[in-house]
Amino acid sequence: DAKTTQPNSMESNEEEPVHLPCNHSTISGTDYIHWYRQLPSQGPEYVIHGLTSNVNNRMASLAIAEDRKSSTLILHRATLRDAAVYYCILTGTASKLTFGTGTRLQVTL
Amino acid sequence: GAGVSQSPSNKVTEKGKDVELRCDPISGHTALYWYRQSLGQGLEFLIYFQGNSAPDKSGLPSDRFSAERTGGSVSTLTIQRTQQEDSAVYLCASSLNSVLGRWEKLFFGSGTQLSVL
Repeated sequence: DAKTTQPNSMESNEEEPVHLPCNHSTISGTDYIHWYRQLPSQGPEYVIHGLTSNVNNRMASLAIAEDRKSSTLILHRATLRDAAVYYCILTGTASKLTFGTGTRLQVTL
Repeated sequence: GAGVSQSPSNKVTEKGKDVELRCDPISGHTALYWYRQSLGQGLEFLIYFQGNSAPDKSGLPSDRFSAERTGGSVSTLTIQRTQQEDSAVYLCASSLNSVLGRWEKLFFGSGTQLSVL
C-alpha cells in the first residue's frame, strides 16, 4: 500500500479552522484518500474520502492537490469535541485499511 | 443493529487463560475486521472476513490467536494461553463489502479492553 505522512500533533483554538495535512507522494491512480478520526476511548469513525476533486460533507472538507501527492482535511470551526487522532489512509483495491500513527489534534478554549 | 456491538467491553484475565471476544456487525454487512490497539499505539490489523471465510489472516500475531465467523454475522476472536503482551483494546469493524476503494467505509465498535494480569 502507498504510504502517507502526517504531523504527529497539531493544536487549534476553538471555533477556528483547522487544516490537517497529509503527504502521499507515491499515491497511485486508483487510490482513494480516506480520513478517519478516533476520539478518546472510542473506535475510529469515518470522516470523509475522495479521489481527485475536493469533497465536502457535514463533518469536514477534503482538499486534494492537483497532482494528488498531498491532501488536507479541513475542519471549518474546531470544537472541543473535535479533539482526536486523525488518520489519512490510502485505499486502492485493498480490502483492509492500514492505519498509520495519525495526527493528534488538541483543541483549546 | 444500529452499530457494531462488541462484548465484553472490558475483560480481565490471568496469564495462561483463554479468552473469547465477540463482535456483532451491522446487519447486512458482509465484511468484518478485527484490529487491536495497544496503549498509545496505532491500530494493528489482525484478520478480515468476507462472509464466513477469512481471505486475509496475515495480522494474527501467533497461532494462539484464531477467529471465526458464522452465518455471515457474529464473529468471535479467541486468544489461547493469554500473555501479558496480549493486553490491548481489540476493535471490530464492518462494512457492506470488502472492496474499500470507492464506496465503502468501515464502521467500528467501541472495542474490548483486554487486560492480562
